[in-house]
Amino acid sequence: KAGVTQTPRYLIKTRGQQVTLSCSPISGHRSVSWYQQTPGQGLQFLFEYFSETQRNKGNFPGRFSGRQFSNSRSEMNVSTLELGDSALYLCASSLEGFTGELFFGEGSRLTVL
Amino acid sequence: AQSVTQLDSHVSVSEGTPVLLRCNYSSSYSPSLFWYVQHPNKGLQLLLKYTSAATLVKGINGFEAEFKKSETSFHLTKPSAHMSDAAEYFCVVISNAGKSTFGDGTTLTVKP
Repeated sequence: KAGVTQTPRYLIKTRGQQVTLSCSPISGHRSVSWYQQTPGQGLQFLFEYFSETQRNKGNFPGRFSGRQFSNSRSEMNVSTLELGDSALYLCASSLEGFTGELFFGEGSRLTVL
Repeated sequence: AQSVTQLDSHVSVSEGTPVLLRCNYSSSYSPSLFWYVQHPNKGLQLLLKYTSAATLVKGINGFEAEFKKSETSFHLTKPSAHMSDAAEYFCVVISNAGKSTFGDGTTLTVKP
C-alpha cells in the first residue's frame, strides 16, 4: 500500500508570494492533518480535514488555509508569504480520524527568501 | 486544554545501555497518547500508542511505554540502545475531539 505522498518536496519562494502544497493520503484514509515544523516552534498543528470538512484548526493566521477533495487528497495554501513561514510542512493521514494512528508523509520543505 | 511536556530536550546514552525518554501530559479527559520517532529529513513514524487498554504498551523496535494516570506520565523506555535509535522522539496527546498536541521533542544520541 502506498504511503502518504507530499508534493513538492522542496520549494523556494519569495516574501509576498503564495504557495500551495499537496498531500495524497493512504488509500481509504479519510482524515488528513497538516503540521508546521520549525526549529524554534517545534511541531504545530495547522488543521485537520475529514470527509472534505475542516474538523479542527490550530492557532495560525488566516493566511494559512486548506481544503480536502472528494478523493481525500488535501491541499494547503499559504498566502502573502513571510520569512517566518519557512518550515517543513508535514501531512498525516488517518483511517479513524480521532485517536487513530497518524501516518506521516516526508514533508514539503518551504524556504521563503 | 491539553499540553505535553517532554522533560529532556537531549538525551545521550551509550550503545547497549537503557533508554528513558520522559513525557508528562495534561488533559481534561482520558486522552490517547502516542510516541513517534523522526529520523533526519524524514516524516514521523509511530512507535506505540496508548488508548485506554493495557497501561504497559509495547511498540516497535523494542520500545515500550507505561501510562501512569496518577503521575500523568507516559515515559518511553528501551532496555538496550542501538545506534539506529538515534533520532528525535515526540510524545503526542490526541483529545477525543481529534485535536493533537505534540511535545517539543527529545533528541536521542547513541554513542558507540
